[in-house]
Formats: sequence, C-alpha cells, structure tokens
Amino acid sequence: EVQLVESGGGLVRPGGSLRLSCAASGFIFSNYWMHWVRQAPGKGLEWVANIKEDGCETNYVDSVKGRFTISRDNAKNSLYLQMNSLRAEDSAVYYCARERFDPWGQGTPVTVSS
Amino acid sequence: QSVLTQPPSASGTPGQRVTISCSGSSSNIGGKTVNWYQQLPGTAPKLLIYDNNQRPSGVPDRFSGSKSGTSASLAISGLQSEDEADYYCVAWDNSLSNWVFGGGTKLTVL
Repeated sequence: EVQLVESGGGLVRPGGSLRLSCAASGFIFSNYWMHWVRQAPGKGLEWVANIKEDGCETNYVDSVKGRFTISRDNAKNSLYLQMNSLRAEDSAVYYCARERFDPWGQGTPVTVSS
Repeated sequence: QSVLTQPPSASGTPGQRVTISCSGSSSNIGGKTVNWYQQLPGTAPKLLIYDNNQRPSGVPDRFSGSKSGTSASLAISGLQSEDEADYYCVAWDNSLSNWVFGGGTKLTVL
C-alpha cells in the first residue's frame, strides 16, 4: 500500500524554524517528484514546493522563497521541508504528496504564534 | 485570490447532476492538464480526475472531467450524500513556474 506519513509539525514562535518530514512507503520513492502543499485553517489548498526525483531541481511558491527548503533522501525514502523565518501566515496543515498529488499524507499542523 | 477560479459553493439534491467549473488562462489550463481532488471534512484530499478526464481506479464513473480552452469542469452525476465535500482543481502554471490550485468549491447535498 502506498503511504505517506508526515511528522515534525508543532507550535513555533514567529521567526523560528521547523523541519517537517514525510516518510514514504509502498512505492519506489526515487522514481517520483514530490510536493509539499499546505492548508490554512478554513482555507483552500496552497502548493508550497516540489522536488525532482534526484533532488536536483526544486520549485517554490513566491511567498516561501528564501525561507523554506525542500529536500529528499532517497536512501531513507524521506522528504523534508526546512522552514525558517516562520510567520503567522505560515500556520497551516502541511501535506506531502506524490507526483500528481496522489496520494497525500494525513498532514502535520504547524502553528506560528507568540 | 487564486489563479484558478472556482465557484465557492455548489449544491444539488440526491440523484441530480452537478458541475463545478475551474477557470484559468493560457499559461495554465490552456496549455496544461487539470486534476481534480475531493476533500471530505477533516481528511486529506483524494485524487478524483487526472489529465483532464481520466479516473483513477476506484473512483466511481459518476465523476467525470472535461476541459475546453482555458476552463475545466468536474461533473458529478447521481449525486449522493457522501459526495458532500470540498473540490479543488489544480494545474501547472508556465508563467509562475508554480502549481496552482483553485480556491475550492464546497458542494452541499440538499
């Protein structure tokens, strides 16, 4: 069974950092682009970043460029999102998703508040 | 404001057919394929339609997708109470070099 499990979310103060992880299983992780997508409370989905199969190409939404870094470790079947200089507007449930946004993990909540 | 425009809400009675639109531009829907997702309350989104009109295995044929020019549509026939959910479209945008989601449509089954 294809499965994605996120972890690492929590409460962090504005300006702080957090590293999210996504553990993949049930498929050949190194064959797929991977995404991070977030959803603020009561709001819609917002694509955050993606990374190529070999990690050599990444893309980001403008609002996180220079603050967030997506990475992967194909040997560990894991995807990461390093989030620095966090702002209140980054508060959301963060999902990882495989290439065509299928499937999705269950999400990990991030709250940025003082 | 989302790059892809969806109506915020839609509704129908059981058994009816409803359609949800997703309007974009030549830099996204006009030149790229569209996927559709269903998000039931409190759960992660689930893929319903990919490549404009393809259904993954396990998705009922009551769900169908289409695309014309810079717009796409999701149709749900034989509406059921369990279809009450939020629905999102997504496409790659060449100008932004971003994936862009529609704002989402909340479907209510009356």
